[in-house]
Amino acid sequence: EVQLVESGGGLVKPGGSLRLSCAASGFTFSSYSMNWVRQAPGKGLEWVSSISSSSSYIYYADSVKGRFTISRDNAKNSLYLQMNSLRAEDTAVYYCARDFDMATFDYWGQGTLVTVSS
Amino acid sequence: DIQLTQSPSFLSASVGDRVTITCRASQGISSYLAWYQQKPGKAPKLLIYAASTLQSGVPSRFSGSGSGTEFTLTISSLQPEDFATYYCQQLNSYPLTFGQGTKVEIK
Repeated sequence: EVQLVESGGGLVKPGGSLRLSCAASGFTFSSYSMNWVRQAPGKGLEWVSSISSSSSYIYYADSVKGRFTISRDNAKNSLYLQMNSLRAEDTAVYYCARDFDMATFDYWGQGTLVTVSS
Repeated sequence: DIQLTQSPSFLSASVGDRVTITCRASQGISSYLAWYQQKPGKAPKLLIYAASTLQSGVPSRFSGSGSGTEFTLTISSLQPEDFATYYCQQLNSYPLTFGQGTKVEIK
């Protein structure tokens, strides 16, 4: 059974940093591109970042470019999102999602809440 | 960036109704479109990919159509478990984008 479990969310002050993790199991992690998608409270879905299976290709939304860094460790079946210079507008539930076919997300984690507030 | 506009944003319907949601892209995206269903407090669930391909395990009352700039998601006979918010997503180019969502509520 495919499972994606996010962790690392919490309350952080504006300007602070946080590192999210996503532990994957039930599939060959190293064969799939992975993604982060966020959802602000009461709002819609916003794609954040994508990383290819071997980390060769990485993409970011303009809203996080230069502040967030996506990475992965295929030996540990884990996906990461390093978030720096956090802003109030980064407050959201962050989901990791598996890309099964050209940026189509077939499995999602349960999400981890990041709250940026003083 | 490619913008996706869903209509309507809110839909009130009864069990058994046929429901259609439209997603319009700001430029042509061929068939690079997916549809997701999201229930409150839950992660999104993939329903349709490549504009019209039903994801494994998704009931056949869901169908998708369209190409280019106009797409539709149809629920042929609305069931109680279908009351949720639906999102389209384009996969034609980065940045990936989602529509603003269509909330389907019980009439």
